[in-house]
Amino acid sequence: QQQVKQSPQSLIVQKGGISIINCAYENTAFDYFPWYQQFPGKGPALLIAIRPDVSEKKEGRFTISFNKSAKQFSLHIMDSQPGDSATYFCAAMGGGNKLTFGTGTQLKVEL
Amino acid sequence: DTAVSQTPKYLVTQMGNDKSIKCEQNLGHDTMYWYKQDSKKFLKIMFSYNNKELIINETVPNRFSPKSPDKAHLNLHINSLELGDSAVYFCASSQDAGGNQPQHFGDGTRLSIL
Repeated sequence: QQQVKQSPQSLIVQKGGISIINCAYENTAFDYFPWYQQFPGKGPALLIAIRPDVSEKKEGRFTISFNKSAKQFSLHIMDSQPGDSATYFCAAMGGGNKLTFGTGTQLKVEL
Repeated sequence: DTAVSQTPKYLVTQMGNDKSIKCEQNLGHDTMYWYKQDSKKFLKIMFSYNNKELIINETVPNRFSPKSPDKAHLNLHINSLELGDSAVYFCASSQDAGGNQPQHFGDGTRLSIL
């Protein structure tokens, strides 16, 4: 059972465009939603995270939008750059420290 | 200095062998984890230790045995390796086992079973 569903599986965006990755969860006990960025040959690195008491969080070019009633959250990458090309994972945690990951989105930013 | 370091980075071995992967963190964290990333890049938690004590043990074959000699180290020993064990294994750490703690990952160990 996939508790965190992520889409799209892959995404191609032009340089300067907006990249949008969506996630949906089922478990209402989740109360922490991080996004991780993974480059080839490297481990996932925390990018930005949100708690469900806020609807949006922005850090630089990265924004998380959170819709608690719909149990959905998304990552927006503004002014996407070739250096943003990586795999992005949404995740969720609740009632402890167990992270449940989405299936990942492979982002490619083209010149 | 690497915060979470794993050795080896690559491990190629025969089916049926026993192997170990080592992990060390220099962040002063109390909690450490092992994750498995399969060929489709799906990440799933295997184990979590808090201050040398096992706190998460997902549905993992008992051929996998984590060992934590101290809170800065969490090693993973795998007995009787099978083809399906081929994956990238990531070690991670967090400040403690409380909720909503950021987890810091190592760069992984790619295990290939021949």
